[in-house]
Amino acid sequence: EAGVVQSPRYKIIEKKQPVAFWCNPISGHNTLYWYLQNLGQGPELLIRYENEEAVDDSQLPKDRFSAERLKGVDSTLKIQPAELGDSAVYLCASSPHRGNTEAFFGQGTRLTVV
Amino acid sequence: EDQVTQSPEALRLQEGESSSLNCSYTVSGLRGLFWYRQDPGKGPEFLFTLYSAGEEKEKERLKATLTKKESFLHITAPKPEDSATYLCAVNNQGGKLIFGQGTELSVKP
Repeated sequence: EAGVVQSPRYKIIEKKQPVAFWCNPISGHNTLYWYLQNLGQGPELLIRYENEEAVDDSQLPKDRFSAERLKGVDSTLKIQPAELGDSAVYLCASSPHRGNTEAFFGQGTRLTVV
Repeated sequence: EDQVTQSPEALRLQEGESSSLNCSYTVSGLRGLFWYRQDPGKGPEFLFTLYSAGEEKEKERLKATLTKKESFLHITAPKPEDSATYLCAVNNQGGKLIFGQGTELSVKP
């Protein structure tokens, strides 16, 4: 079974430029998460989807960040414009359904803003 | 506010020296506690799920236990390949998965 696939693996951009990350969850998984992870820290939730509905986006900085999950499968996270402080690893995870089931993570996208 | 705190932040062991990692949590309606392993440059890898106090899970040299306030990850006779960051997470009644900051484990031969 294929795992969670993220692309790109690495991205370097100049500040004020836009950037987008893509995630393909495990087939059949209804719940999709986007997390941000800074060096030496645990993942912090940005947004959670149940199918195509964003059910928790309270931690998403909506002035510059946006996300979508069309048709309840693939998801895209966008930052526009990027700031130096956005440099981090962006992780995508999926789980079969909402509730007490484990989430499976992709390899992440390491973003560097210069 | 739901919270997860892990200790210690870093742990250095000699090969074969058993020890434990701690995960303390405060959560509104625990719907599962999860342990993950994360190697440098990779995403977290799922290890265990615990649902109720008294539950235990084992996998090779790792054993996870759960009480009403905390979980322990016991590492018996660790090997250098066990070196990684171990993350603890809880799922609250709203379905939100909340992580601790992790414990960085280093096992020297």
